Amino acid sequence: NAGVTQTPKFQVLKTGQSMTLQCAQDMNHNSMYWYRQDPGMGLRLIYYSASEGTTDKGEVPNGYNVSRLNKREFSLRLESAAPSQTSVYFCASRTGSSYGYTFGSGTRLTVV
Amino acid sequence: RKEVEQDPGPFNVPEGATVAFNCTYSNSASQSFFWYRQDCRKEPKLLMSVYSSGNEDGRFTAQLNRASQYISLLIRDSKLSDSATYLCVVNDRETSGSRLTFGEGTQLTVNP
Repeated sequence: NAGVTQTPKFQVLKTGQSMTLQCAQDMNHNSMYWYRQDPGMGLRLIYYSASEGTTDKGEVPNGYNVSRLNKREFSLRLESAAPSQTSVYFCASRTGSSYGYTFGSGTRLTVV
Repeated sequence: RKEVEQDPGPFNVPEGATVAFNCTYSNSASQSFFWYRQDCRKEPKLLMSVYSSGNEDGRFTAQLNRASQYISLLIRDSKLSDSATYLCVVNDRETSGSRLTFGEGTQLTVNP
């Protein structure tokens, strides 16, 4: 099984450009999550989807939008990238609230 | 106050040493607890869940004290391969689902 697959792995954007980070899981998990990780800040939740058809804001949703396309896929969109969005982005999924996450390998995004 | 607070570290120990990490959480209604391990420039990976009765997995022992809102991880007979950042993780229930909250992590280096 591939688990959680994120694309792209690396990306450089110019300020103001837009892009979509893709995430797909093949474990039939109900819940999916987007986190960003910055030095000294730990992992912070951007958005999550408890089940197909629902999405909710996390701690740091400003500047981002998400789409739960189907049970497998959960995408994160930056409409107008800013240097403050330079970070490592992790997608994660899990089958239920008593379980831990399985993470993707991350997307390293630099906004210049 | 941070929702999940960990020992700031870093910890540098010789091979074979016993090392303990401590963590406190602020939400008394938190339901599930985990320790994750994160290697440099990699995604976090689930190390073990933490149960109220305490649990052990080989050289690793996790303890939970709900009354004190305290979680610990003990690593015995440290190996070079244990060098990583250890993340304390708490599951918090929200009205629209639940999510994991991560501590900032404690870095461990095991030296030969």
